[in-house]
Amino acid sequence: EVQLVQSGAEVKKPGESLKISCKGSGYSFTSYWIGWVRQMPGKGLEWMGIIYPGDSDTRYSPSFQGQVTISADKSISTAYLQWSSLKASDTAMYYCARPIDSGWYGPFDYWGQGTLVTVSS
Amino acid sequence: QTVVTQEPSFSVSPGGTVTLTCGLSSGSVSTSYYPSWYQQTPGQAPRTLIYSTNTRSSGVPDRFSGSILGNKAALTITGAQADDESDYYCVLYMGSGIYWVFGGGTKLTVL
Repeated sequence: EVQLVQSGAEVKKPGESLKISCKGSGYSFTSYWIGWVRQMPGKGLEWMGIIYPGDSDTRYSPSFQGQVTISADKSISTAYLQWSSLKASDTAMYYCARPIDSGWYGPFDYWGQGTLVTVSS
Repeated sequence: QTVVTQEPSFSVSPGGTVTLTCGLSSGSVSTSYYPSWYQQTPGQAPRTLIYSTNTRSSGVPDRFSGSILGNKAALTITGAQADDESDYYCVLYMGSGIYWVFGGGTKLTVL
C-alpha cells in the first residue's frame, strides 16, 4: 500500500528556518516524482514544486521558485520542503503528493495527511 | 498569465446530476492538459477522483466521471449523495516551466 506520512505541525516565528518532511513507503521511492502543494487558510490548492528522488531533478512553480527548497534523501525514502526565513504569509497547510505514473511529474494520485505550518510572532 | 477557472459554487439535489467545469481564462482545455479532479472536505487532505481527463482513481465510484465538454474539462457527478458535499478542485498541466496550476475550486452543496 502506497503511503505518504508527513511530519507534525510546526509553530515558528518570522525569520526562522524550517524543514518539513514526507516519508514514502509501499513503492519504489526513487522511481516516482514527489511534490508539494500549499493550502493557505480558507483558500485553494497551489502546486509548489516536485522532485525526482532518483536523481534529485527538481522543478518549481514560478510562484515558488526561490521561496522554498525541495529536496529528498533516497536512503530514507523522505522528501523535504524547507524555508530559510519564514514569513507570516507562509502560514498554511502543506501536502506532499505522488503522481500515479512513474517517470514523469504527472497528476497527483496519492496524498500525505498534511503538515500545518503556523508562523507568528 | 493564464488562470484556471472553476465555478465558485454549485448546488445539486440529492439524487441529481451535476457537472462542474474547469476552463482557461485564455484558450481551450484539451486532453493535452491532463485535467484532473480532487475532492476535499474540511480538515481533510485532498482525495483524487479523476486524472488525465477521464481515468478514475482507485476506489472512486463510477458515478464520478470526467470528460471534455466544449472548451472545458468537466466533472460529472450522477446520483449525488449528501457526502458529496465538498470542495472540488481541478488541475491542468501548463507545460514545462509552469507545470501544474490548480483552479480556485468549486464548493458543492447537496440540498
